Amino acid sequence: DAGVTQSPTHLIKTRGQHVTLRCSPISGHKSVSWYQQVLGQGPQFIFQYYEKEERGRGNFPDRFSARQFPNYSSELNVNALLLGDSALYLCASSFDDTLTGYTFGSGTRLTVV
Amino acid sequence: QKEVEQNSGPLSVPEGAIASLNCTYSDRGSQSFFWYRQYSGKSPELIMFIYSNGDKEDGRFTAQLNKASQYVSLLIRDSQPSDSATYLCAVRRGSNYQLIWGAGTKLIIKP
Repeated sequence: DAGVTQSPTHLIKTRGQHVTLRCSPISGHKSVSWYQQVLGQGPQFIFQYYEKEERGRGNFPDRFSARQFPNYSSELNVNALLLGDSALYLCASSFDDTLTGYTFGSGTRLTVV
Repeated sequence: QKEVEQNSGPLSVPEGAIASLNCTYSDRGSQSFFWYRQYSGKSPELIMFIYSNGDKEDGRFTAQLNKASQYVSLLIRDSQPSDSATYLCAVRRGSNYQLIWGAGTKLIIKP
């Protein structure tokens, strides 16, 4: 069985640019969450989607947006990139919203220069 | 005060000994508690979760929860060098869908 798939694995962008990160959940999983992890810190919650509806939003600026598609895959979009957006972006999927079966993808390492 | 606090370490434990990792949380409304392991450069992987006061065992791992003291711990018995990693504590508050994470404790198992 394929796990949570994230693409791309690495990305280098310039300040002010826009980026789209993609996530495919485990087959049958309906919930996708996005986290940002800065080196040396724990992950910070960005968004959660369940059955294509936004269920939660973390304390991130409006430059961050996301959506979930009918096949439960998801995109995270970040506009007007700042140097501080450099981080590992993690996608996690679960069958439902109880978080007991939370599985992370391998992440997208975003570097903003 | 951070919502979820962990000692950053590193915590150094001899191979075969018991490693004890601790986590405190500030929100008394927290209901679910998770331990994740993260190897350097990799994504977190779930070790176990606990909801009720007391102990929960899974193989060499035991999670302990004390809601009155707002304290959750992870014990690793018979520690192996492959257990060397950063251990992250995460907490879910009530019906909120997000996890609140500690910064992690770096564990080093010395052969």
